[in-house]
Amino acid sequence: NAGVTQTPKFQVLKTGQSMTLQCAQDMNHNSMYWYRQDPGMGLRLIYYSASEGTTDKGEVPNGYNVSRLNKREFSLRLESAAPSQTSVYFCASRQGGGQDNYGYTFGSGTRLTVV
Amino acid sequence: AQSVTQLDSHVSVSEGTPVLLRCNYSSSYSPSLFWYVQHPNKGLQLLLKYTSAATLVKGINGFEAEFKKSETSFHLTKPSAHMSDAAEYFCVVRGGYNKLIFGAGTRLAVHP
Repeated sequence: NAGVTQTPKFQVLKTGQSMTLQCAQDMNHNSMYWYRQDPGMGLRLIYYSASEGTTDKGEVPNGYNVSRLNKREFSLRLESAAPSQTSVYFCASRQGGGQDNYGYTFGSGTRLTVV
Repeated sequence: AQSVTQLDSHVSVSEGTPVLLRCNYSSSYSPSLFWYVQHPNKGLQLLLKYTSAATLVKGINGFEAEFKKSETSFHLTKPSAHMSDAAEYFCVVRGGYNKLIFGAGTRLAVHP
């Protein structure tokens, strides 16, 4: 099925470990986004990529890095995980451009626990 | 800057009664507004969106929302709640560079 695929779905890390969350979309969307969801705070934007080859910081970028590997893939890396990064992470994509109807598609999320 | 405030963190209704989830927005220009729903341990699903067309927006599953510029509100309603409506609902405004800015969420409980 067409959409946004996130891997892994669940992960437990020890403090200080590193990992990369993967996101891929098969809808030929231009823009991709990484959000984190914490109780009582909604979703907050970590990083986004308006188009292939560009990345920009969002609201809460500290402790994260991203790579827009190609048009399909947008990865999120935690270099040294901290308990404060325990969260559910969502990737999203959007078409953009003149034909845009503001349609965003979200992945199913990655639940990350840092102990 | 754009922002949204969801006025209730929890709403509880009985099955078959109306649902009202309240949202106020702040925007320096004509906003694009959305309501998303998230069922337990699931991803986000778009319920409806307002993009400066009709002020009364109809969405999926019988939900609708009315954009009121004078009140800077975009409340979500449904005439009759169903058990399957129990979920968390997010009011969202589109910000600069087409980023989505989320409210804190309202958890809707539906009782038999």
